[in-house]
Amino acid sequence: EVQLVESGGGLVQPGGSLRLSCAASGFTFSSYWMHWVRQAPGKGLVWVSRINSDGSSTNYADSVKGRFTISRDNAKNTLYLQMNSLRAEDTAVYYCAAAFDIWGQGTMVTVSS
Amino acid sequence: QAGLTQPPSVSKGLRQTATLTCTGNSNIVGNQGAAWLQQHQGHPPKLLSYRNNNRPSGISERFSASRSGNTASLTITGLQPDDEADYYCSAWDSSLSAWVFGGGTKLTVL
Repeated sequence: EVQLVESGGGLVQPGGSLRLSCAASGFTFSSYWMHWVRQAPGKGLVWVSRINSDGSSTNYADSVKGRFTISRDNAKNTLYLQMNSLRAEDTAVYYCAAAFDIWGQGTMVTVSS
Repeated sequence: QAGLTQPPSVSKGLRQTATLTCTGNSNIVGNQGAAWLQQHQGHPPKLLSYRNNNRPSGISERFSASRSGNTASLTITGLQPDDEADYYCSAWDSSLSAWVFGGGTKLTVL
């Protein structure tokens, strides 16, 4: 079964850090460019970051540049998002997606004191 | 950050045709076109079309995408109750080196 499973979300204080993981199975993970997309409660989709298939190239939304880092381990079929200096406006469900074709169920990140 | 503009809502009757629009600039839609995604409440998005009118496996032919200049469109024919959802367009902005999403259109099937 083709699947992406996110983990690592939770409640964190402003200024804190979290690392999200996205485990892939059922498809050739190493062939796909991968994305993180977030969705604040009741709001639309917002693209966060992407990484190419071998991890050599990354891009970020302006709102997270310098604070978030995307990475991948193709040997472990896993995508990561290291999130530092978190702000209240980072509160959202975070989805990982393989070329926008395969999506996980999302993991909730809440930034609050 | 530059974005894509979608109408917030569209309402159409059962079995009618709905056309959803997505307007950007030449750095975005005018370049490689747009992808379209459907999202039902409480579920992750689902890809309907990419690079204008390429449908992933399993997506109904009732969904077709097109582009004219800097406006991308998604046409849904023979509307069904399950088509009631939020629809998002997305495209690569070459000037920002970033993907952008439209604000989404809520489609109501009457």
